[in-house]
Amino acid sequence: EAGVVQSPRYKIIEKKQPVAFWCNPISGHNTLYWYRQNLGQGPELLIRYENEEAVDDSQLPKDRFSAERLKGVDSTLKIQPAELGDSAVYLCASSLGLAGVDEQFFGPGTRLTVL
Amino acid sequence: QKEVEQDPGPLSVPEGAIVSLNCTYSNSAFQYFMWYRQYSRKGPELLMYTYSSGNKEDGRFTAQVDKSSKYISLFIRDSQPSDSATYLCAMSGAGNNRKLIWGLGTSLGVNP
Repeated sequence: EAGVVQSPRYKIIEKKQPVAFWCNPISGHNTLYWYRQNLGQGPELLIRYENEEAVDDSQLPKDRFSAERLKGVDSTLKIQPAELGDSAVYLCASSLGLAGVDEQFFGPGTRLTVL
Repeated sequence: QKEVEQDPGPLSVPEGAIVSLNCTYSNSAFQYFMWYRQYSRKGPELLMYTYSSGNKEDGRFTAQVDKSSKYISLFIRDSQPSDSATYLCAMSGAGNNRKLIWGLGTSLGVNP
């Protein structure tokens, strides 16, 4: 079974440029997460989707970040314009959305460097 | 004070050693306690989880939760070089309060 797929794996851009990350979750997983992970830190939740609905986007900086999950499958996270402080690894995860322990499966992440 | 505290290390041990990794937390509503392992340039993967208090064993790994002390541990017996990774604790409540709260992660190196 294929895992969570993310692209690109690496992205280098100059500040004020736009950037987009793509995620394909595990087939059948209704819940999709976008996290940001800085070096030496745990993942920080940006947004959680249940199917097509964003059910928790309280930590998403909405002035520059946007996300969508069309048809409840693939998802795209966009930053426009990027700032130096956005340099981080952006992780996508998916899960079945079960009650109790809902194991999240992570992709390899996209490493963003903003110059 | 952060909800979850974890010493980032790094921790370096010889092969075969017993490793103890720990987290403390402040939110008494946490019910699910998880340990994720993250290799360099990879996403985290769930290693073990425990519901409420008690111990859970899986091969060389043992997870312990002490809710009275708000303290969780992960023990690795007979550590191997392949165990070298960052270990992240994560916790959540039950029902609608399932958002994972993560520790910083502890970097572990096992030397052959």
